[in-house]
Amino acid sequence: AQSVTQPDIHITVSEGASLELRCNYSYGATPYLFWYVQSPGQGLQLLLKYFSGDTLVQGIKGFEAEFKRSQSSFNLRKPSVHWSDAAEYFCAVSASGGYQKVTFGTGTKLQVIP
Amino acid sequence: NAGVTQTPKFRVLKTGQSMTLLCAQDMNHEYMYWYRQDPGMGLRLIHYSVGEGTTAKGEVPDGYNVSRLKKQNFLLGLESAAPSQTSVYFCASKLAGAEQYFGPGTRLTVT
Repeated sequence: AQSVTQPDIHITVSEGASLELRCNYSYGATPYLFWYVQSPGQGLQLLLKYFSGDTLVQGIKGFEAEFKRSQSSFNLRKPSVHWSDAAEYFCAVSASGGYQKVTFGTGTKLQVIP
Repeated sequence: NAGVTQTPKFRVLKTGQSMTLLCAQDMNHEYMYWYRQDPGMGLRLIHYSVGEGTTAKGEVPDGYNVSRLKKQNFLLGLESAAPSQTSVYFCASKLAGAEQYFGPGTRLTVT
């Protein structure tokens, strides 16, 4: 069965510092991978996705993620964090066929300090 | 396009009452999903649908029923609400081979 682990429940970074959020997945074949962001009281917004091809994926709001098959990881990065990036971030994995069940991690809450 | 909309946004129920949550999408998506979100648990799949007239159980289906009579609508029903169903409920839809689009959520409290 597929699964996603986000080992960091909370992360605090200073504004302007770099950010890396960790995501490890378990899936037998090549997965589809996603990062979503959720601001308080809001729904989930897609930041970026990986389906195939270039393992470094660019997303919205200056985020990027790298798919590393050997490490079963899909870590999210941003070179310089803005106060508006404070939110909860979810990594998700799905199969590439069928009804495509999507499994979410438990989320990482990002706090940005001035 | 409105995308994915959910009705209502907030609701308070007493134990044993029933209600229906409505999800509507205007993107002609085949797949639709209902999730619940609880603190520290991420999103857990309740039920899903792969097309009009079809539904299937997800990870946590007990106490919920669903229907998809029209392609654009996916209804989630609670026949007899329990405090354990206090949660935020999200609907999502997608095309095959693409990402999910989420609604804004319904915050349900069962007292």
